Amino acid sequence: EAQVTQNPRYLITVTGKKLTVTCSQNMNHEYMSWYRQDPGLGLRQIYYSMNVEVTDKGDVPEGYKVSRKEKRNFPLILESPSPNQTSLYFCASRLSGSSSYNEQFFGPGTRLTVL
Amino acid sequence: AQTVTQSQPEMSVQEAETVTLSCTYDTSESDYYLFWYKQPPSRQMILVIRQEAYKQQNATENRFSVNFQKAAKSFSLKISDSQLGDAAMYFCAYRIDANAGGTSYGKLTFGQGTILTVHP
Repeated sequence: EAQVTQNPRYLITVTGKKLTVTCSQNMNHEYMSWYRQDPGLGLRQIYYSMNVEVTDKGDVPEGYKVSRKEKRNFPLILESPSPNQTSLYFCASRLSGSSSYNEQFFGPGTRLTVL
Repeated sequence: AQTVTQSQPEMSVQEAETVTLSCTYDTSESDYYLFWYKQPPSRQMILVIRQEAYKQQNATENRFSVNFQKAAKSFSLKISDSQLGDAAMYFCAYRIDANAGGTSYGKLTFGQGTILTVHP
C-alpha cells in the first residue's frame, strides 16, 4: 500500500530534550516536506527536500532541522524543543513535476506537546 | 508572498442540503494549482478536488464542485447533498511550481481552515 508513515504519532516531552520525528514513504517520491498545523493558521511548511541531500527552508524553519540521506526518509529534528513548538506535524511527499496530479500524500500526523 | 484566506471559521449545513465554503488567494502568477483538502477528526489530510488555473472549466468530483473565478482570485467549494461523513475541517490550498535543476517543485500554501458541521 502506498503510504507515508510517521513516528511517533503522539509525543509529550519537556523543554530542551532533543527529539526526532521520523517520516518514511514507499512511493519513490522525490519531493518531501514537513508542515505544522496550528489553530487559526492552517498548515505551514517547515522544511522541504527536492531529493537526496537537497533540503531548504520553508516558511517557519526556526528551531527545526532535517536531513535527507535516503530518498524514502525525511526525519524532522528538534534539538532543543520549546513550548511554542507544541503543534500537529505532518510529513508529506509527492512526485516532482508540474502537474496537479502530482498530489501531496500526507502522513497521519504527529501530535507533539512540549512542556 | 502568496496568501490564502478562508473567511469562514465555521459553517453548518443540514443533511442533504448544499453548502458553499469560500476561499480567496493572492498571487501575481498566472499558472498555478488550487486544491481543497478535508481533515476529519482522524486528522488525516484527504484531497477532495483540484483545479488547474489554466483551465476555465470548474472541476467536479461527484458531490463536490468548485467555482473558480480567476480574475477575482476566488475558489469556493460547493458540497451538494451533504452527508454526515462530510463533517470535517476543510482547507483550501494553493501551489505554484518552480523549476530548479530540471526538477519542478512547489509547496502548498494553506488557508486557515473552515470547520463544517452537518446536522441530521
